[in-house]
Amino acid sequence: QKEVEQDPGPLSVPEGAIVSLNCTYSNSAFQYFMWYRQYSRKGPELLMYTYSSGNKEDGRFTAQVDKSSKYISLFIRDSQPSDSATYLCAISLTGTASKLTFGTGTRLQVTL
Amino acid sequence: NAGVTQTPKFRVLKTGQSMTLLCAQDMNHEYMYWYRQDPGMGLRLIHYSVGEGTTAKGEVPDGYNVSRLKKQNFLLGLESAAPSQTSVYFCASSQHAGQPQHFGDGTRLSIL
Repeated sequence: QKEVEQDPGPLSVPEGAIVSLNCTYSNSAFQYFMWYRQYSRKGPELLMYTYSSGNKEDGRFTAQVDKSSKYISLFIRDSQPSDSATYLCAISLTGTASKLTFGTGTRLQVTL
Repeated sequence: NAGVTQTPKFRVLKTGQSMTLLCAQDMNHEYMYWYRQDPGMGLRLIHYSVGEGTTAKGEVPDGYNVSRLKKQNFLLGLESAAPSQTSVYFCASSQHAGQPQHFGDGTRLSIL
């Protein structure tokens, strides 16, 4: 079983739709949860970052962590064509040896 | 606002050739990382460094070497390139372990 599972998509939605992107993970010790956005031929850029469980909102984006279900979500409200990208979840432990474990990414296409 | 800069952006090599990829960061980050990204495989950690003069193996280190002689630079070397090393290589940095990483825009490497 992979440490982080993410549906690769592609996911196609009309402009203005609410998008839900999800990841599941296997290790209950993970404490840091991140979402990255990657445009074609670019590096991943950090979108959202949460520690432990709960919700975090930033403009049209909401990150949600459910540690009891080992499930993290990213919601995008009022989606725009500029949101078309690949979204990667990443999780990590704390400690000097800890590294990020990435999902394989979900490709999102927002159509006019 | 450079952040993480990778050179070169593109390179084509023949099997058996060697080359070095350069990563430079201007954020004074302690930790630096090299990943490769392949379709369906996500980001896989090759090597990383927890500070100047240190290096450590990641998930897929075979065939690669790294050096961190200066805090701001992290070099990735391919000793004898193989077609299996055709990939997009990303460098990243972070101030603390397990926390969000900042990525460069990648080096696209093809080995014929």
